Amino acid sequence: AQSVTQLDSQVPVFEEAPVELRCNYSSSVSVYLFWYVQYPNQGLQLLLKYLSGSTLVKGINGFEAEFNKSQTSFHLRKPSVHISDTAEYFCAVSDHGAQKLVFGQGTRLTINP
Amino acid sequence: EPEVTQTPSHQVTQMGQEVILRCVPISNHLYFYWYRQILGQKVEFLVSFYNNEISEKSEIFDDQFSVERPDGSNFTLKIRSTKLEDSAMYFCASSPDPTYEQYFGPGTRLTVT
Repeated sequence: AQSVTQLDSQVPVFEEAPVELRCNYSSSVSVYLFWYVQYPNQGLQLLLKYLSGSTLVKGINGFEAEFNKSQTSFHLRKPSVHISDTAEYFCAVSDHGAQKLVFGQGTRLTINP
Repeated sequence: EPEVTQTPSHQVTQMGQEVILRCVPISNHLYFYWYRQILGQKVEFLVSFYNNEISEKSEIFDDQFSVERPDGSNFTLKIRSTKLEDSAMYFCASSPDPTYEQYFGPGTRLTVT
């Protein structure tokens, strides 16, 4: 069965500092990988996705993630964060051919001025 | 930009009552989903729906739950007899293709008292 582990439940960083949010997954088959963001009182918005091809994926708002098959990881990075990046970030995986997304428990990113 | 909408934003109901949560997916999408997020926990898949039938469901989606696309635009989740543990945020999502990203609505917060 698939599972997703987000290693940090909370990550506080200072504005303009770099950040990495970690995500590891387990699956016995090929997968698609996603990062979603949830701003306060809003739904889930897609940041970026990996379906195939280049392992470095660029998304919206300056975020990027790298798919590492050998380490079964899909860590999210941003070189310089802003106050507006304060939100909950969710990593998710789906099997090729399956429809459901399996989510990690989320990482709350807090940006301090 | 088209978006998934959900009504109501917050529903309070008494234990044992039936509730219907409503969603309007993006108009040209063919695949529909329900997820839930109990407070402080991860987002969990409930059910996927395609071509007017359930294509996949989780073990959470027992006989108390049902889904329907009554009129070609709405997609509903019914809980027949609510329990306290059904209290959660319920998210609807849609996608044009199962390999594509899922677009999420803002959620309905269900409180069972």
